[in-house]
Amino acid sequence: GQQVMQIPQYQHVQEGEDFTTYCNSSTTLSNIQWYKQRPGGHPVFLIQLVKSGEVKKQKRLTFQFGEAKKNSSLHITATQTTDVGTYFCAGTFDSGYSTLTFGKGTMLLVSP
Amino acid sequence: DGGITQSPKYLFRKEGQNVTLSCEQNLNHDAMYWYRQDPGQGLRLIYYSQIVNDFQKGDIAEGYSVSREKKESFPLTVTSAQKNPTAFYLCASSRKTSGGYEQYFGPGTRLTVT
Repeated sequence: GQQVMQIPQYQHVQEGEDFTTYCNSSTTLSNIQWYKQRPGGHPVFLIQLVKSGEVKKQKRLTFQFGEAKKNSSLHITATQTTDVGTYFCAGTFDSGYSTLTFGKGTMLLVSP
Repeated sequence: DGGITQSPKYLFRKEGQNVTLSCEQNLNHDAMYWYRQDPGQGLRLIYYSQIVNDFQKGDIAEGYSVSREKKESFPLTVTSAQKNPTAFYLCASSRKTSGGYEQYFGPGTRLTVT
């Protein structure tokens, strides 16, 4: 079936360092969404990207959607301990359907 | 206070028993979903429903059943046929936006079967 691959699986950074997680699909995505799950919590919607080459920013977070709509990235500038959690990308392959295919997530640990 | 509620937060069952997980939403969303999450794994779709009285199998539906008799409710039954039922179960609902469907998750139920 269609899959969304996400790397790295895990990253440990010092507070203040930058962090990036990447998602890739072998087929074109209709849109891609990003979610954050804190330890012991549930996923929380962060953002949705729809257009080819789209870039969106939320404070220290920058989200990009590739020109071919097959890849996406989330970059966090100057991480803080509050950024700890697992970040998931989730893509839709057909604009007519409401289901998402989730990547396996990147777990981010931030040491003070 | 709008949102999605799941109960209970923790559930323990003996092997061979069926168990039903509750999911209720007051967001007036048409679509609802059930996911399973295992340690170090992403979310895998069990079942979803886009409208009342209709639902479709997701990627891992075997051993599970659902019903959608009301817009607000989408209960999941984990049957004794499910070989590895111990997991974190997440319910979600979604609304359609201009680009797609944003999903809102409940707090989840951690099921342990021994």
